Amino acid sequence: RKEVEQDPGPFNVPEGATVAFNCTYSNSASQSFFWYRQDCRKEPKLLMSVYSSGNEDGRFTAQLNRASQYISLLIRDSKLSDSATYLCVVNIANAGGTSYGKLTFGQGTILTVHP
Amino acid sequence: DAGVTQSPTHLIKTRGQQVTLRCSPISGHKSVSWYQQVLGQGPQFIFQYYEKEERGRGNFPDRFSARQFPNYSSELNVNALLLGDSALYLCASSLAGLEYNEQFFGPGTRLTVL
Repeated sequence: RKEVEQDPGPFNVPEGATVAFNCTYSNSASQSFFWYRQDCRKEPKLLMSVYSSGNEDGRFTAQLNRASQYISLLIRDSKLSDSATYLCVVNIANAGGTSYGKLTFGQGTILTVHP
Repeated sequence: DAGVTQSPTHLIKTRGQQVTLRCSPISGHKSVSWYQQVLGQGPQFIFQYYEKEERGRGNFPDRFSARQFPNYSSELNVNALLLGDSALYLCASSLAGLEYNEQFFGPGTRLTVL
């Protein structure tokens, strides 16, 4: 089983639509959670960190359910510029419990927003 | 402020050769991590360095090595290149490399091995 699994996608939605991405992670020792977006042939860019209480940044809302080991990202009022690959990212403590930033990425979900 | 910078942008090598990739973190950041991204997959963790010390290593062969300099810049070296090493190599910087520190990526070096 992959450490981080995402909806396979791709998602094709019209402008103005609401779209939700889901992600599950397998290691209960996971400590920090993020969503990144990646445009074609570019580097991943941090979209938002995900906090236990859930958090919102404009049209984007992220939720974390530690009990179910589940993360979600909701995009409201989709724009053409939202077209990208969305990467679910988890930071998992290593076996020795040492705290360091080893990010584990899902394979990404492709979103295409069309006029 | 400048973001993470990487050089070179693109690189073409042949099997068996060696390559060195360079990264400069965001000013004030003391930790650098390296990731490999092959087409169609998410980035895979290679190394993390903090204050010139290796803090973590991913599941990559010993042909991959790295170091961090006193100015916090970093180099990734890959020896005896294989066709499968063709990928986008990404450098990420963070304040201290802790699990809750946000990591910011550079534009990457696209390596092609022929």
